[in-house]
Amino acid sequence: GQQVMQIPQYQHVQEGEDFTTYCNSSTTLSNIQWYKQRPGGHPVFLIQLVKSGEVKKQKRLTFQFGEAKKNSSLHITATQTTDVGTYFCAGPMNYGGSQGNLIFGKGTKLSVKP
Amino acid sequence: ETGVTQSPTHLIKTRGQQVTLRCSSQSGHNTVSWYQQALGQGPQFIFQYYREEENGRGNFPPRFSGLQFPNYSSELNVNALELDDSALYLCASSFLAGPTTKQFFGPGTRLTVL
Repeated sequence: GQQVMQIPQYQHVQEGEDFTTYCNSSTTLSNIQWYKQRPGGHPVFLIQLVKSGEVKKQKRLTFQFGEAKKNSSLHITATQTTDVGTYFCAGPMNYGGSQGNLIFGKGTKLSVKP
Repeated sequence: ETGVTQSPTHLIKTRGQQVTLRCSSQSGHNTVSWYQQALGQGPQFIFQYYREEENGRGNFPPRFSGLQFPNYSSELNVNALELDDSALYLCASSFLAGPTTKQFFGPGTRLTVL
């Protein structure tokens, strides 16, 4: 069945270091979305990538969508303690008979040591 | 904040019982999706409702059922609770617009089954 995989599962960094999480889909995706979930919180939408090879930046965060539209990455430059949380990638499901529903990866949990 | 609200915040039930969780969608959104998030996992799609009808379902048994009301609020019902049903239940509202739909998550209901 359709799968979305993320690595690494956990990442511990010193404040100021960079962080990258990778997302791979078993199928080609029409788009990919990234969410952040703070400890004890709920997923919050960060960004959506639609075009092959697309790169988008949000301050210290850089998102990429692969040329084949099957992989994506999120890179954070100079991490801060406010970046702590779990980062999920998600793509549209190709089953379930409805549009707009998402299949999520298991997430990468980022901890930042001050 | 997304404007999506859920109640209750926390709930404790015992095996075999039934539970109803509630969600109020963001204003202007006509679609609601429900997700189950087990500890340490990404959200898993349960089902979606659009204009009061089920519009897609994930890999969950029939004892998971739902309703959407004319004001676009929604309920998730789970019968014959099992220990593995312990999880964070998230609803997400959206304005159905195809596979690039952005979803807005509520804060979730944490269900514990003893």
